[in-house]
Amino acid sequence: NAGVTQTPKFQVLKTGQSMTLQCAQDMNHEYMSWYRQDPGMGLRLIHYSVGAGITDQGEVPNGYNVSRSTTEDFPLRLLSAAPSQTSVYFCASSYGGLESSYEQYFGPGTRLTVT
Amino acid sequence: DQQVKQNSPSLSVQEGRISILNCDYTNSMFDYFLWYKKYPAEGPTFLISISSIKDKNEDGRFTVFLNKSAKHLSLHIVPSQPGDSAVYFCAASIIQGGSEKLVFGKGTKLTVNP
Repeated sequence: NAGVTQTPKFQVLKTGQSMTLQCAQDMNHEYMSWYRQDPGMGLRLIHYSVGAGITDQGEVPNGYNVSRSTTEDFPLRLLSAAPSQTSVYFCASSYGGLESSYEQYFGPGTRLTVT
Repeated sequence: DQQVKQNSPSLSVQEGRISILNCDYTNSMFDYFLWYKKYPAEGPTFLISISSIKDKNEDGRFTVFLNKSAKHLSLHIVPSQPGDSAVYFCAASIIQGGSEKLVFGKGTKLTVNP
């Protein structure tokens, strides 16, 4: 199993550009989520999904869009990049059910810089 | 309003000694607490967890203690090893909107000196 994979590892964008961060998992997990990590801020939840076709907002959803058409994939779209979106982005997955967020498996992260 | 607080940004200990990482929380609705470990340029990895109905959980060198009345939990690592040097995140789980969500603290950077 590859676990949770994220592409790209690094990305530089200009203000106003759009892009999609890819996330895939091969563990048949129902629950997937996106976090951003900023210095001194810990991990903050952007969006999450409890299964294919179901998504919801987390703590910091503005400027981001998600969709979940398959169990395996959960892409994160930046609609119009801003310098405030410079961060490290982590995708995570876990088993479904009431305790769905326990013991989440994280990808290696995407380091995004917006100039 | 920060619901999960790790007030020590960093901690340095000698190899072989005990490392104690602390975490405080404000929301009494949290039902599960977890510790994650993160090395540079990698994603966080799950370390140990504890249910809100327990006060202690042990896994090898790692023990988590929960004091619900004080809304405080701690992670003990005994004995500490240089490979334990990493950032440790405390996280708490809560049901919101029909699903569980994790709320993370800001992390504590542990350095274990040989």
